[in-house]
Amino acid sequence: DAGVIQSPRHEVTEMGQEVTLRCKPISGHNSLFWYRQTMMRGLELLIYFNNNVPIDDSGMPEDRFSAKMPNASFSTLKIQPSEPRDSAVYFCASSPGPDTDTQYFGPGTRLTVL
Amino acid sequence: DAKTTQPPSMDCAEGRAANLPCNHSTISGNEYVYWYRQIHSQGPQYIIHGLKNNETNEMASLIITEDRKSSTLILPHATLRDTAVYYCIVRLLNGSSNTGKLIFGQGTTLQVKP
Repeated sequence: DAGVIQSPRHEVTEMGQEVTLRCKPISGHNSLFWYRQTMMRGLELLIYFNNNVPIDDSGMPEDRFSAKMPNASFSTLKIQPSEPRDSAVYFCASSPGPDTDTQYFGPGTRLTVL
Repeated sequence: DAKTTQPPSMDCAEGRAANLPCNHSTISGNEYVYWYRQIHSQGPQYIIHGLKNNETNEMASLIITEDRKSSTLILPHATLRDTAVYYCIVRLLNGSSNTGKLIFGQGTTLQVKP
């Protein structure tokens, strides 16, 4: 199994540009999670999906952030417009189910907004 | 907010056992204790979890006190590759509005020294 796949691994963009981060969960996993990690705030859950449906998006910082899961094998996290304070490492994780199942994390996307 | 308290850092000699403590004095009866670790520049990695009994797997052992207010993660023979940030997480079960969430604290930075 290839594990959770994220792309790109690194992204550098200018303030105001749209950024799209991509995630392919482990095949057969029904839950997908997006996290953000910064030095100041640590690891934070942004949103999670169960069976492609968003269950909890209370961690999404503001309307500039949106996430979609059009099918069981693909999810995107979009930031539009991006700001320097969005600079962080964004992790995607998947698990067989949302509750007590283990979450498997991808390698992350390091985003730098200039 | 994280419901756990961990020391910010610890050292361990290579080949010796690493004992990482965690306090979770407000844990409730339906909450599990999870441990993850994050090696530099990688996504968090699941280690072990338990409810009230001690648990062991190929990576580590988890000792939970009888009152469940604290626990210890034991890496029996630490290697240099075990150098990482270790997170102790209290996780709610199905049926809660927080189902599925992993709320990360600051963790313990374990430095294994030769």
